[in-house]
Amino acid sequence: EDKVVQSPLSLVVHEGDTVTLNCSYEVTNFRSLLWYKQEKKAPTFLFMLTSSGIEKKSGRLSSILDKKELFSILNITATQTGDSAIYLCAVEKETSGSRLTFGEGTQLTVNP
Amino acid sequence: GAVVSQHPSRVICKSGTSVKIECRSLDFQATTMFWYRQFPKQSLMLMATSNEGSKATYEQGVEKDKFLINHASLTLSTLTVTSAHPEDSSFYICSATRYGTVNTEAFFGQGTRLTVV
Repeated sequence: EDKVVQSPLSLVVHEGDTVTLNCSYEVTNFRSLLWYKQEKKAPTFLFMLTSSGIEKKSGRLSSILDKKELFSILNITATQTGDSAIYLCAVEKETSGSRLTFGEGTQLTVNP
Repeated sequence: GAVVSQHPSRVICKSGTSVKIECRSLDFQATTMFWYRQFPKQSLMLMATSNEGSKATYEQGVEKDKFLINHASLTLSTLTVTSAHPEDSSFYICSATRYGTVNTEAFFGQGTRLTVV
């Protein structure tokens, strides 16, 4: 059975802190790993990772994938209160055509 | 990016009634759409895969007679919750796949908050 596990499930930090969110997976026919940010409604896309060791960066957010150890991390530097959200990790399989298996999510709260 | 529109964003209905939720891809054709359900403080759980012109594929444990899915065109899939009960109250989200030459990406609708009273 495919599995995506995120940790921690919940995290509270102060503005300016740096956070690292973890996502490990066990799936057959892995194609890609995706990170989403969910505030009040639907998830918004952050990153898609397909290759090991190549960091993807967008502003203060960055992410990297390790296909040998089957995990990914999402880093957020200099956190702001607007970063408060649920961060979801999802895995896509080769044969699934964007059918995603999601992890439980990490609830990040950034306090002023 | 591509746009997926989901309607309604919020609905309250009485127990025993049916509710239809629409998911439209506005600027691309989506041969495949996915329906997810999310309970409070939980992650998205895939309910079914909706394929244009054919029957939906349901995940284990999802009642196909209760959650009717129709994907009649390349831009529209509907989810009908039949004979709704309070335990069906949840956040329902659709996603549509746009196939590109480099990436295949899923775009999410805004979600529908269903409350059954």
